[in-house]
Amino acid sequence: DAGVIQSPRHEVTEMGQEVTLRCKPISGHDYLFWYRQTMMRGLELLIYFNNNVPIDDSGMPEDRFSAKMPNASFSTLKIQPSEPRDSAVYFCASSHDPGRRNQVFGPGTRLTVT
Amino acid sequence: QQQVKQSPQSLIVQKGGISIINCAYENTAFDYFPWYQQFPGKGPALLIAIRPDVSEKKEGRFTISFNKSAKQFSLHIMDSQPGDSATYFCAANIQGAQKLVFGQGTRLTINP
Repeated sequence: DAGVIQSPRHEVTEMGQEVTLRCKPISGHDYLFWYRQTMMRGLELLIYFNNNVPIDDSGMPEDRFSAKMPNASFSTLKIQPSEPRDSAVYFCASSHDPGRRNQVFGPGTRLTVT
Repeated sequence: QQQVKQSPQSLIVQKGGISIINCAYENTAFDYFPWYQQFPGKGPALLIAIRPDVSEKKEGRFTISFNKSAKQFSLHIMDSQPGDSATYFCAANIQGAQKLVFGQGTRLTINP
């Protein structure tokens, strides 16, 4: 298995531009998570899906952030418009076996908003 | 109440020594406590995990000690090696939800 795949790995954009981050979970995993990691705030859960349905989006910082999961093998996190304070590493993780609750993380997307 | 407090923020240990990282929580509804290891430029990866009905779990050089009454748990790395240099996160799962709350992380450096 290739693991959780994220693209792009690095993204540099200007303030005000739309940014779309992509994630392909591990096949067979029915939970998908989006996290943001910064030095100041650590690792924060933004939103998670179960069977493609958003379950908890309480971590989404504001309306500029949106996430979708149109099918079991693809999810996007969109920021529109982007701001410098959105600069962070964004991780996607997927999981199966709720009893063990092991989340497998992707390599992350490093976003820089100038 | 849904926080997990982790200490220290950074730790330097000599090769062969014992590395100890501590976490504390308030929410008694946490029911699963994993530790994740993260190398630079990589995503966190599950290292070891424990449930609150067990006081200790050991996997190789890594041991979790869990004190339910004190609401504390810790990671011990025995015979620490330079390859163990990474950032370690404790976490806790909210009972009934697939939702982890992470500690702030500890940057561990093992000096050769």
